[in-house]
Parts: sequence; structure tokens; C-alpha cells
Amino acid sequence: DTAVSQTPKYLVTQMGNDKSIKCEQNLGHDTMYWYKQDSKKFLKIMFSYNNKELIINETVPNRFSPKSPDKAHLNLHINSLELGDSAVYFCASSQISSYNSPLHFGNGTRLTVT
Amino acid sequence: KNEVEQSPQNLTAQEGEFITINCSYSVGISALHWLQQHPGGGIVSLFMLSSGKKKHGRLIATINIQEKHSSLHITASHPRDSAVYICAAQEGGADGLTFGKGTHLIIQP
Repeated sequence: DTAVSQTPKYLVTQMGNDKSIKCEQNLGHDTMYWYKQDSKKFLKIMFSYNNKELIINETVPNRFSPKSPDKAHLNLHINSLELGDSAVYFCASSQISSYNSPLHFGNGTRLTVT
Repeated sequence: KNEVEQSPQNLTAQEGEFITINCSYSVGISALHWLQQHPGGGIVSLFMLSSGKKKHGRLIATINIQEKHSSLHITASHPRDSAVYICAAQEGGADGLTFGKGTHLIIQP
């Protein structure tokens, strides 16, 4: 029973297109995150959502928008895709109200923009 | 903004060796995470610690808050331990993590 699931696993698309990546967690966690892993394997926070409120938003282009229909989902929408958006995107969740709650990661979505 | 430094970047060792990976950070944190990423790409949380020491099987993580330094140790290393190990600093409860660049570990049989 997957704790954090994200779809699709692979996404190949052309520049200028709009795409979405879905993420769902069944752990009852109160906070969800999106991370980007670049070609050098470096991870960086993009967004986090706590109780449906955006609480941090790093210097990410506004072409990226997180959407959280409920506490268990945090989807990532990307408009006007660019070559530099090619990366692996990881969704994660945690229970920040609980001391010592580790992060649980999804398996990643490899986005390739051609 | 927290700066997280890891060393070494790459480490190749023989099976059975004791492994140490170091991590330092520049700003006070609420927690320090150690993550493992296998060649298949999935990321697993190994430890989350804010003080002292934690042990899980052959893995041990320590943190020194005053020195802003943490270490991950692997005892009796095994080829299946081969992976990228990433430390990450969490400044506030709901903040995302700031990651180190990772240590690529290869354990040879």
C-alpha cells in the first residue's frame, strides 16, 4: 500500500505545453512538498502546503503552481514548459505537528521537455 | 539561508569497512535528515534527528548542535549499501529541506 504516490512516473512533452503531475498521500500527514532534482542530482524545495495553505514558495517561476484540492493531494501544474524544466520532481509528505515525523517521498516523476 | 556541506562527495570502500559521511550546516536548525537514494531513484528517509544519536540496524547518525555538524556511520558495510546519501537541514517545522549535494557510496564485494 503506497504511502506517497505520484503520477506519471515519466512525462515527455514539448516546449510550450502545459502539464500536471499528481501526488497523493494516504498517511494522514498535514504537510506536503514538491522538490526538484536537477541533472546534477541536486535536490531543492519548490513548495510546501500545510493544511491547504502555501507556507513556503522558493524562487520558482510562476509557471509552476501547486494545487491542493484536499489534505491528501498536492498536484503540480506547469505552464509553458521550457527545456530547463527537465528534471525529476519528487512529492513528499510529513506530519509537522508530530515531533520527529520523517519525510515520506514519492518515487519521482521524470519530466523531459523536448 | 542555510548552507549544507557534505563530505566526501564520492566514497568507494570494501565490504565490511566502517563508513563515515559528514555533514555541516551554517544556520541553526530544528532537525537534520539523512536520506538514501538508490540507483533506481527512490528516496528513503533514514534518520531525522535534532540532538544526540540514533541507531537503526547497521546505521548510526549523530549530531552536534553546537558545532552544526552531523555524521552518518555504516558498520560492516555491504554492497547493498551502495547508494547516494544525502543530508538535509530543516530550519522550521513546516519548512522544506535544504539539501547537501550528496555522497555517492560504492561498496565493493
